Amino acid sequence: GQNIDQPTEMTATEGAIVQINCTYQTSGFNGLFWYQQHAGEAPTFLSYNVLDGLEEKGRFSSFLSRSKGYSYLLLKELQMKDSASYLCAVRGGSGGYNKLIFGAGTRLAVHP
Amino acid sequence: DGGITQSPKYLFRKEGQNVTLSCEQNLNHDAMYWYRQDPGQGLRLIYYSQIVNDFQKGDIAEGYSVSREKKESFPLTVTSAQKNPTAFYLCASSTSHQGQGAFFGQGTRLTVV
Repeated sequence: GQNIDQPTEMTATEGAIVQINCTYQTSGFNGLFWYQQHAGEAPTFLSYNVLDGLEEKGRFSSFLSRSKGYSYLLLKELQMKDSASYLCAVRGGSGGYNKLIFGAGTRLAVHP
Repeated sequence: DGGITQSPKYLFRKEGQNVTLSCEQNLNHDAMYWYRQDPGQGLRLIYYSQIVNDFQKGDIAEGYSVSREKKESFPLTVTSAQKNPTAFYLCASSTSHQGQGAFFGQGTRLTVV
């Protein structure tokens, strides 16, 4: 089966940098995704990793280590609007190439 | 514009009634998904389909049913067997191409009274 763990809550200060970790266990792996979800809204896609290393996209970066089953999302120059839940998701596993499972999400609160 | 559409946004039903949630996409995506989200929780997979006329159970399929007769459509029926159906339901679709994430509809908030 698949198992995904992320911290439940984090707080940070506006302008700072925050790192949200995600560990996963899966019998098959076809990519790891990060999504942002504001309260009451649908998740929006932030980043994708399938090979080891760092992917950078503006203020957001995501890192993957497949051997360690570990990823992190790095948010730089935090803004108040970054207060949201951040969801780690893994694609693959015994259920098939496209099976997409989400972690419980990390609620990030950005303070002035 | 290409996208994924769920309807309605809010839905109320009486306990014991079946209800069907609509999900349509014009992105030409092969894979489609249904998730349930309870307040303060993550997304839990109900059913997913990798291709037309095929679908698999997710982690919480009991009390739900789906069909995939057309590539564009993946309706979810919440049956009376679902013990606690009140939740936020999200539909998503994706391609198998590397690097592309799943795209979500706006969600349907179902309340059973």
